[in-house]
Order: sequence, then C-alpha cells, then structure tokens
Amino acid sequence: LAKTTQPISMDSYEGQEVNITCSHNNIATNDYITWYQQFPSQGPRFIIQGYKTKVTNEVASLFIPADRKSSTLSLPRVSLSDTAVYYCLVGASYSSASKIIFGSGTRLSIRP
Amino acid sequence: EPEVTQTPSHQVTQMGQEVILRCVPISNHLYFYWYRQILGQKVEFLVSFYNNEISEKSEIFDDQFSVERPDGSNFTLKIRSTKLEDSAMYFCASSAEANTEAFFGQGTRLTVV
Repeated sequence: LAKTTQPISMDSYEGQEVNITCSHNNIATNDYITWYQQFPSQGPRFIIQGYKTKVTNEVASLFIPADRKSSTLSLPRVSLSDTAVYYCLVGASYSSASKIIFGSGTRLSIRP
Repeated sequence: EPEVTQTPSHQVTQMGQEVILRCVPISNHLYFYWYRQILGQKVEFLVSFYNNEISEKSEIFDDQFSVERPDGSNFTLKIRSTKLEDSAMYFCASSAEANTEAFFGQGTRLTVV
C-alpha cells in the first residue's frame, strides 16, 4: 500500500481558497487517489477521486501532476462549515474501502 | 439521498458483556464494512463483507468480533466479550461495487465501563 504524507493541520479564513497537498511517492500504477472529509463525531464522507491530471466536482478540485507522486485537494472559498479532517488515501480503485487505510489526515480549521 | 443508518447512536456496556452494533446499508449496495475510531485517533479498518462472507479483516478483528447479515437489510457487528479498549466510535459503511465510493453511517459510540 502506498504511504501518504499530509500536513497535520492547516488554518485558513472564510472565503479563502485552501489547498491541501498529499505526498505519495510509492504510488502504484493501478492506484487511485481519494479524499475523504470527516466532521467531528461523524463518519468520513467521500469528496473526490482521481487518477491523473485534474478532477473537479461541486465540492472540490483535485490536481495530480504527471508523476502522480503527490496530489492537491483544492477547496474554493471555504466557509466555517469546511472545518474538518481531510484524509488523502491511495489504493487500487477496484478495492474501494477495504484496502484503503486512513492516515492521520489534515485537520483544517477555518476562522471567521 | 440514501444513507447508511446505524443503531444505537450510543451504547454503554459493562466490561465482559456482549454487544451487537446494527447497521442498515444502502439498499442496493453489495459491499459492507466496519471501521472504528478511538477518540482522537485514526479511523481503523476492521472488516469487509461481500457475498455473505468476510472478504478481508484487519488484525484488530480477532475472535471476539464477528459480523453477520441476518436478513436482506441489516449488517451487524458483534463483540463477544467487551474490553475497556473497545470503547470507540464504530462506523459502518457500504458501497455499490468494489470500485466505488464508500458511504459511511453516523456511527455508534460504544463506551465500555
């Protein structure tokens, strides 16, 4: 399993764009990059998944460079409700949650 | 929007007692999972379940743990003889296929006293 490294915590302000970068130097050819969000006392929630280049949905964008050794989750115009822990996960898409191991995540705090 | 539901939301039990945590996965999903999160720590994988059998389990999932899908809708996690260190949030999740996102329930907070 590819190990991931992401910042332990980040702070930002309402209305700002937040970029959380994750390193995964040992990513395998068939691995996908998936991000989950977890609010306090709630289960993790899928945000976005990608394999290469850029993926965008209504919540976030995911940027993956050509070498795929890192990825950046971009949250546009954050609000207080985006305060959560964000997990970067790397694993084969076919295996879904069973082979995906949650790391410590990045604790994002948004201030007014 | 369909969701995974878990009951109870909070359970307090005495050490050594058996507990059953219940989950109703999303109805057309085929893959089911249990995770746990000790307060302040990471979300830890326990077990995955497909086609009425365990497909993978972690080292945490020892003989004290078992899972069952007793009917077409429920998915349960049983802890045979609870220990203090079993106190945690337990999350159930389900996914439609092996390569699709997992949907998590709101969790059951288990407190062993």
